[in-house]
Amino acid sequence: GAVVSQHPSRVICKSGTSVKIECRSLDFQATTMFWYRQFPKKSLMLMATSNEGSKATYEQGVEKDKFLINHASLTLSTLTVTSAHPEDSSFYICSASIQRTSTDTQYFGPGTRLTVL
Amino acid sequence: QKEVEQNSGPLSVPEGAIASLNCTYSDRGSQSFFWYRQYSGKSPELIMSIYSNGDKEDGRFTAQLNKASQYVSLLIRDSQPSDSATYLCAAPRRSGYSTLTFGKGTMLLVSP
Repeated sequence: GAVVSQHPSRVICKSGTSVKIECRSLDFQATTMFWYRQFPKKSLMLMATSNEGSKATYEQGVEKDKFLINHASLTLSTLTVTSAHPEDSSFYICSASIQRTSTDTQYFGPGTRLTVL
Repeated sequence: QKEVEQNSGPLSVPEGAIASLNCTYSDRGSQSFFWYRQYSGKSPELIMSIYSNGDKEDGRFTAQLNKASQYVSLLIRDSQPSDSATYLCAAPRRSGYSTLTFGKGTMLLVSP
């Protein structure tokens, strides 16, 4: 299968600080990477879609200046939560897509649990 | 907005039984479908994808697609307590695009 890693797996930070989360496709080059957020017992919520070398496409209602996405290579995307506040505490999950047969298939990283104090 | 609908459950089945998870979709043009499993506190894990009408089997899992009726299902044979999780159905938001629309998921509980 296709392996996607995320780092860190868990982070606790103070309100007002910025946190960077890395997402890597380990054994394939990803056509597209995605960032999701999930609150406890809630559905996955897509935040943004990114392609290498391009600006990310953000979903409606997601602040692009608060959630900075950099897609530096075909195997690495980063999400920076700027000036984090307690309401940003959530489970952040990335995924990377690879084309299999006639369609792209998404594989998820293990997620990063962010707690903002 | 193209939609993917699932019953939130929980669906409770005894160990060894067949669990049947269903999903309907609104876009007749959808060509591919995915089933993900998500354990509590973990990220989703791909179980199966299906593109053609009919059945696709992988071990204890069988995905079924009926494009005329716009539903896709996942059967889990010989259910085990370790299968207890939320199962997410997904389809591309637009044909040819990799962005997925997810259902809200069905929680499956397999009792010993």
